[in-house]
Amino acid sequence: QVQLQESGPGLVKPSETLSLTCTVSDGSISDHYWSWIRQPPGKGLDWMGHVHYSGTTIYNPSLKSRVTISVDTSNNQFSLRLASVTAADTAVYYCARAARYYYDSSGYYVLDSWGQGTLVTVSS
Amino acid sequence: DIQMTQSPSSLSASVRDRVTITCRASQSISSYLNWYQRKPGRAPKLLIYGASSLQSGVPSRFSGSGSGTDFTLTISSLQPEDFATYYCQQSYSTPWTFGQGTKVEIK
Repeated sequence: QVQLQESGPGLVKPSETLSLTCTVSDGSISDHYWSWIRQPPGKGLDWMGHVHYSGTTIYNPSLKSRVTISVDTSNNQFSLRLASVTAADTAVYYCARAARYYYDSSGYYVLDSWGQGTLVTVSS
Repeated sequence: DIQMTQSPSSLSASVRDRVTITCRASQSISSYLNWYQRKPGRAPKLLIYGASSLQSGVPSRFSGSGSGTDFTLTISSLQPEDFATYYCQQSYSTPWTFGQGTKVEIK
């Protein structure tokens, strides 16, 4: 089963850019979509967006132009960059694989493999 | 955005109890509804997709039902390893959205 692991700084200063990388092992990144999801303390899960291995991206409009998700197929990794962070961006950040499952003649996108999550705190 | 509302937000139950969690979408999402389980410090785990299809390896005591706007996750006989937080998620349209979670605790 594919494994995912987030890495990156656990502390980011306000107004700076948050950067995280997700390393995919026991499977190829050259298929499926690859997502970032976050959970602020005491709040629910928030889907940030995803990237296809071809480089096509879809972002959550709530993040406007602050978010960039990119893929590095040669290293089996994908990355998140979130610009101009504030305390509201403090959260546990998860990377996940979005795969298409077929059931009853329909295809459903599911987040079928997740990383353990990494806490990023925004503070000076 | 499609809003997903779960109820209850938490519940207390005993081993071997039947547990039902509901999830309501703010508009019809057909059967594009997934359920996840999350335990502290662990990666979330996919339980159900397409509203009612059991993910491979998930015990048969878990089941899902519903379509349109109303969905349920049922655990037929709660086991000690089932104490966790459960989330619904719609993949009908982006941005994908989650319910706020239901924490299942030991009574």
